[in-house]
Amino acid sequence: AQSVTQPDIHITVSEGASLELRCNYSYGATPYLFWYVQSPGQGLQLLLKYFSGDTLVQGIKGFEAEFKRSQSSFNLRKPSVHWSDAAEYFCAVGAKAAGNKLTFGGGTRVLVKP
Amino acid sequence: EPEVTQTPSHQVTQMGQEVILRCVPISNHLYFYWYRQILGQKVEFLVSFYNNEISEKSEIFDDQFSVERPDGSNFTLKIRSTKLEDSAMYFCASSRNTQGEAFFGQGTRLTVV
Repeated sequence: AQSVTQPDIHITVSEGASLELRCNYSYGATPYLFWYVQSPGQGLQLLLKYFSGDTLVQGIKGFEAEFKRSQSSFNLRKPSVHWSDAAEYFCAVGAKAAGNKLTFGGGTRVLVKP
Repeated sequence: EPEVTQTPSHQVTQMGQEVILRCVPISNHLYFYWYRQILGQKVEFLVSFYNNEISEKSEIFDDQFSVERPDGSNFTLKIRSTKLEDSAMYFCASSRNTQGEAFFGQGTRLTVV
């Protein structure tokens, strides 16, 4: 069965500082990996995805993530955080064999200090 | 930019009542999904739908739940007799294929009182 762990429930970061959100997954084959962001009162917006190929993927809003098979990780990074990045971030794993059903992590809430 | 739309944005219903949550997926997408997020908990998969039938469902998706694509554009989730524990944000999503990312709607917040 697929599972996703996001070890950090809350992260507070100063505006302009770098951000890294951790994600570990469990899946028997090569997974499809996603990061979604949810702003207050909003739906889930896709930031980036990994299906295959280059293990460093670029997304929207200046985010990137790196797939590390040996560590079963897909950490999300941003070099310089803006106040508008305050939101909840969800890592998710999917698989073609599962009809693209997504399994989500518990989410990490990011607070941005001025 | 095409998007998934859900109505209503918020629904309050009495326990035992039936509710229908509506979704309009992106027009050229073939796979449709419902997820839910109970307050403070993970986003959970409920059901996937393809070619006019359920392709997969979770343990949560019991006989109280049903899905339907009544016409070429809408995708609905029906809860026959709501319980307090059905209170959650319900997200509809769609994807073009099983290798495509799922696009999510804004969600319907269901409150059962």
